[in-house]
Amino acid sequence: KQEVTQIPAALSVPEGENLVLNCSFTDSAIYNLQWFRQDPGKGLTSLLLIQSSQREQTSGRLNASLDKSSGRSTLYIAASQPGDSATYLCAVRRLNNNDMRFGAGTRLTVKP
Amino acid sequence: NAGVMQNPRHLVRRRGQEARLRCSPMKGHSHVYWYRQLPEEGLKFMVYLQKENIIDESGMPKERFSAEFPKEGPSILRIQQVVRGDSAAYFCASSPGQVLNEQFFGPGTRLTVL
Repeated sequence: KQEVTQIPAALSVPEGENLVLNCSFTDSAIYNLQWFRQDPGKGLTSLLLIQSSQREQTSGRLNASLDKSSGRSTLYIAASQPGDSATYLCAVRRLNNNDMRFGAGTRLTVKP
Repeated sequence: NAGVMQNPRHLVRRRGQEARLRCSPMKGHSHVYWYRQLPEEGLKFMVYLQKENIIDESGMPKERFSAEFPKEGPSILRIQQVVRGDSAAYFCASSPGQVLNEQFFGPGTRLTVL
């Protein structure tokens, strides 16, 4: 059974700091892994999607890495801004499966 | 191209009433997924549908919950005789024809059961 864990559950940093969010999953038989952002009371915004054959993806100040064999992914945010404050969700798409499995998220606060 | 649309965005029901949540997939998408997010938790898969077919309902509670995706019109998630524990955000996602395509999420419906 696929379990997805995100650490830490909450993180508070000063503006400008670089930070790393962690995601681990128990079953390495995945098709892809996706990072989302969720603002309070809002829906999900897709940030980065990494296929199982890829090692990382980059978009602006965001970089996501994937180590399938160890069941880990990290989301690196450079030069954080108050506007980055949100909950970040990691989700894996399993092979031969219809659903995505989500972690509980990391709630990030960037203080001005 | 409009994204995935869900309505209503907020729904309040009293215990015992029925809740109907609607999802219109992105244009050209024929696959719909429903997820539930309980407070302070991640999203959990409920059901996967294609037009007129339920493909996987392994995440659906056995009673009171049902889903459909008719040939015409939106997908409907129906909850009968709601209880307080049904209070959650319900998200719909859609994808194009092939199963492993990326899913695009709607804004969610927040159900509150009084």
